[in-house]
Amino acid sequence: DVKVTQSSRYLVKRTGEKVFLECVQDMDHENMFWYRQDPGLGLRLIYFSYDVKMKEKGDIPEGYSVSREKKERFSLILESASTNQTSMYLCASSSRYRRESGNTIYFGEGSWLTVV
Amino acid sequence: SQQGEEDPQALSIQEGENATMNCSYKTSINNLQWYRQNSGRGLVHLILIRSNEREKHSGRLRVTLDTSKKSSSLLITASRAADTASYFCATANTGGFKTIFGAGTRLFVKA
Repeated sequence: DVKVTQSSRYLVKRTGEKVFLECVQDMDHENMFWYRQDPGLGLRLIYFSYDVKMKEKGDIPEGYSVSREKKERFSLILESASTNQTSMYLCASSSRYRRESGNTIYFGEGSWLTVV
Repeated sequence: SQQGEEDPQALSIQEGENATMNCSYKTSINNLQWYRQNSGRGLVHLILIRSNEREKHSGRLRVTLDTSKKSSSLLITASRAADTASYFCATANTGGFKTIFGAGTRLFVKA
């Protein structure tokens, strides 16, 4: 069964702290994504990665960075957390080879981050 | 801007009734997908319909796609309380890998 695992379900961090959100997938997927989800705004793409060490900005990359050193792992980094980054963060992955799965995206359970 | 826009934003029905949610999008697509999200959880893929398909079924789900109108609908038949969730459409643009999600429809099924 496909699985995307986010390391932390709930986090509380202080303003200015550096925050790491970790995500691991076991499906050998090439593509990995980080979204944030806020009420009324739906899912917004922060960053995505097509391959190891590759990253592309999404719609709202400001204040975030990412790291993909291994195929199965995609980390989201908040260099200096701010209160407006309080949100639910969703990691996801998909296969680059769309013939069988289309663009089906598999999500983790989400990480609730509160910045105080 | 959002590629997929769901309508209605919220829907409340009785158990056993059918629920219909609509999605509109703006640009050409390879396929359109529907996802479900239980409260506070991640999204789960429900069904994918390709741009050359008009209708697709999966259990109690029926999806239609009208590329001329750039719209899709998701029908859940004989709804159950367990169908209470948010439902999102997502589109992947032609030639691209980027999938864009709408804001979702919140469905509440009363037992």
